[in-house]
Amino acid sequence: QQQVKQSPQSLIVQKGGIPIINCAYENTAFDYFPWYQQFPGKGPALLIAIRPDVSEKKEGRFTISFNKSAKQFSLHIMDSQPGDSATYFCAASNRGVNGGYNKLIFGAGTRLAVHP
Amino acid sequence: DTEVTQTPKHLVMGMTNKKSLKCEQHMGHRAMYWYKQKAKKPPELMFVYSYEKLSINESVPSRFSPECPNSSLLNLHLHALQPEDSALYLCASSGLAWDEQFFGPGTRLTVL
Repeated sequence: QQQVKQSPQSLIVQKGGIPIINCAYENTAFDYFPWYQQFPGKGPALLIAIRPDVSEKKEGRFTISFNKSAKQFSLHIMDSQPGDSATYFCAASNRGVNGGYNKLIFGAGTRLAVHP
Repeated sequence: DTEVTQTPKHLVMGMTNKKSLKCEQHMGHRAMYWYKQKAKKPPELMFVYSYEKLSINESVPSRFSPECPNSSLLNLHLHALQPEDSALYLCASSGLAWDEQFFGPGTRLTVL
């Protein structure tokens, strides 16, 4: 019940395409859903995050869609660029359980390649 | 400033060596984390400190020893590591909102 299932494992799109990465969870107590972007040899960078009281959040070319009833959330990258080629991790947590920290449960990751 | 710094960037050590990894943040965050990441895998939580006290130890072998000297610093002491401990070690911190967690660039550790 603590798992976050992420798909696809890898994704190839052409420049300008809209890659979509999906995540699903079981624990209905999760109340925070971030996405991280990681380039080879670097630490993960927080990209965008959503809470379950909204169904969509946009930041620049990145959009999270959230479906509470289906327990799914997804990342859309508009007008994708070769520089977006990276590994993307979704995550989930229940902030209310812990005292002063946030234990993230990560998905397995999606390796995205954007071809010119 | 949302920066977490880690030193060294790279570390090569023998199985009998003792070394330490260092992490620092100046965002006023009160929670700090150590993760281990193997190639093509997500970060794997090792330790969590909250208000300078160890809150989570994810059954990590005793050859890894964390230390939080103050609210801005986090160390990971390494002793008698195994080759399978070679990985990217990531530090992260989170603030009063308990949620946004920021990662450092990591230390690439190789155990010979």
